[in-house]
Order: sequence, then structure tokens, then C-alpha cells
Amino acid sequence: KAGVTQTPRYLIKTRGQQVTLSCSPISGHRSVSWYQQTPGQGLQFLFEYFSETQRNKGNFPGRFSGRQFSNSRSEMNVSTLELGDSALYLCASSLEGGSISPIGYTFGSGTRLTVV
Amino acid sequence: AQSVTQLDSQVPVFEEAPVELRCNYSSSVSVYLFWYVQYPNQGLQLLLKYLSGSTLVKGINGFEAEFNKSQTSFHLRKPSVHISDTAEYFCAVRSPGGSYIPTFGRGTSLIVHP
Repeated sequence: KAGVTQTPRYLIKTRGQQVTLSCSPISGHRSVSWYQQTPGQGLQFLFEYFSETQRNKGNFPGRFSGRQFSNSRSEMNVSTLELGDSALYLCASSLEGGSISPIGYTFGSGTRLTVV
Repeated sequence: AQSVTQLDSQVPVFEEAPVELRCNYSSSVSVYLFWYVQYPNQGLQLLLKYLSGSTLVKGINGFEAEFNKSQTSFHLRKPSVHISDTAEYFCAVRSPGGSYIPTFGRGTSLIVHP
């Protein structure tokens, strides 16, 4: 079965611009989480969506937002880009919710965002 | 609150030698524990997980990990590494209830030399 698909793989943006990243989870997975990965900070949790609702949120400024559609596909948006937003953005999908045993995440390959 | 400490940022080892990547966690409640591997320019892939039961967990690619509750550790081991095991390894902890979000360690870079 298809894995988690993230598009685009690479992006170069200018400071002040905005960007939208897309994630298609594994079929049947209703939970989609987003992480920012940088060499200095490691993996930092951005937010999680479950059945179109934001269920959890990390400690990122309001410039970072996301949404989930009825088919579980998710997008994240970053407005007013800063140089420090340069990172690998990872999407992870999971079956988790309610009493389902944790199977762990399935990650996409990420979107490498460079802000210049 | 839960946290994860991966004690070594980098572990160099020769091919066919054994390796142990260390992970310690702190949590006030019972935990689920995970190890993930990240190859260059890729996302993370689940290696193994501990939910309950046997404290020795076997995963993919010949890796195994042992849950030690008294030492709050979940070290990852492989008896004989290959060049292809060169990657970044992440330990993660999650509480059974409440938020479904795991906390990740900072990662350990395993470098296998020929």
C-alpha cells in the first residue's frame, strides 16, 4: 500500500513569503502529525489533526497553521517566513485514536524548506 | 511531563562489531517506547516498539531493545552492524493515555566504518 506522501520535496522561499506543504497519509489513517526537524533543535512537534480537528498543538507561533480535509489529507501553512523556518518538515500518519493500540507513526520523506 | 535523553550524539563503530545506542526516559506514568531510524534525505521509519509484556523487543533489520523499568532505559542493540546501518536513530516515549503525541530524543548518529 502507498506510504505517506509529502509534496513538494524541496522548496526555496524568500523571507516574508508564505508557503503551503501537503501531506497525504496512508489510506485509513485518520491522524496526521507535523514535525519540524532542524540540526539544532531535533524533532519538534507542530500539531496533530484527527478527523479534521486539531487535537494537539506544539509550541510554535501562530504563523504556523494547518488543516485536515475529509479524506485525511493535511496541509500546513507558514506565513511571513523567517530564515529560522528553514528545516525539514515531516508529516506522520497513524491509526491512533480511541482504544486503538499504538502502532507508531509512518513518516513521509519530508519537505526540505529553505528560506533565503 | 515526559522526556527522552539519548546520551550519545554520535556512535562510530566498525562493520560487524556490536553496537548499543542508549536511551533513557523520564515519565511519572507507564510508557510506550519506540525506536525510529532515519536514513539520509528520508523520513523516520519505525524499528521497534515496546507497549507491554516481554521487556526484550525485537525489531526489523536485526535490531532489538530492552525495556528496563528500574533504570528507565530502552537501549537499542545490534550484535553485528553493516555499513547500511549508518543512519540517525531516534528514541521516543509516549504515555498510554492523554495526548497521543510522542516525545522524541535528539537522535544518535550511528556511523559504521568498513
